[in-house]
Amino acid sequence: AQTVTQSQPEMSVQEAETVTLSCTYDTSESDYYLFWYKQPPSRQMILVIRQEAYKQQNATENRFSVNFQKAAKSFSLKISDSQLGDAAMYFCAYRSGEYGNKLVFGAGTILRVKS
Amino acid sequence: DAGITQSPRHKVTETGTPVTLRCHQTENHRYMYWYRQDPGHGLRLIHYSYGVKDTDKGEVSDGYSVSRSKTEDFLLTLESATSSQTSVYFCAIQGQENYGYTFGSGTRLTVV
Repeated sequence: AQTVTQSQPEMSVQEAETVTLSCTYDTSESDYYLFWYKQPPSRQMILVIRQEAYKQQNATENRFSVNFQKAAKSFSLKISDSQLGDAAMYFCAYRSGEYGNKLVFGAGTILRVKS
Repeated sequence: DAGITQSPRHKVTETGTPVTLRCHQTENHRYMYWYRQDPGHGLRLIHYSYGVKDTDKGEVSDGYSVSRSKTEDFLLTLESATSSQTSVYFCAIQGQENYGYTFGSGTRLTVV
């Protein structure tokens, strides 16, 4: 079974600085997707960024980018120019390639942003 | 999210009582999921559905049952609520193939 590990329960960053959240996963599959979700205090789950395993290029969405290391099974999230609104719980998630397959989540990382 | 709603948003219930949580989608998606969120565990899959009357168990299905009689509705029932089922419950739908899920706003359930 696939597993997702987020080894940082909590992280802090100064406003306007850069922070990287770590995620590793375990799988024997070659076709899969990886995701980062943000959960602010409102409890809403918000998709931040996704990466297809077959793509070598790292995904980028505005201030959010990933470092996808397929061989190392690592999928870290970098947040640049951190803002107070980035404070949230962040979940890394894995989904195997077949449509309809379940998402497997890591335990989450709480990100605190200091002003 | 606009296409998926959960009810109720909050609920307090007593141990031993049955509880049903509702998930409603307007997107006509085939796949629907129920997760629970607990500190230190992230979100864990309870049950999922791949069509009307087609459901299957996830990793934490004990004590839960589901039903899907219409495409748009997916119900989660706690047959006899226990304190260990105090949690936040999320429903989700699978959208476009290479996208993640869209989640409902969650139900905070407290079993006293």
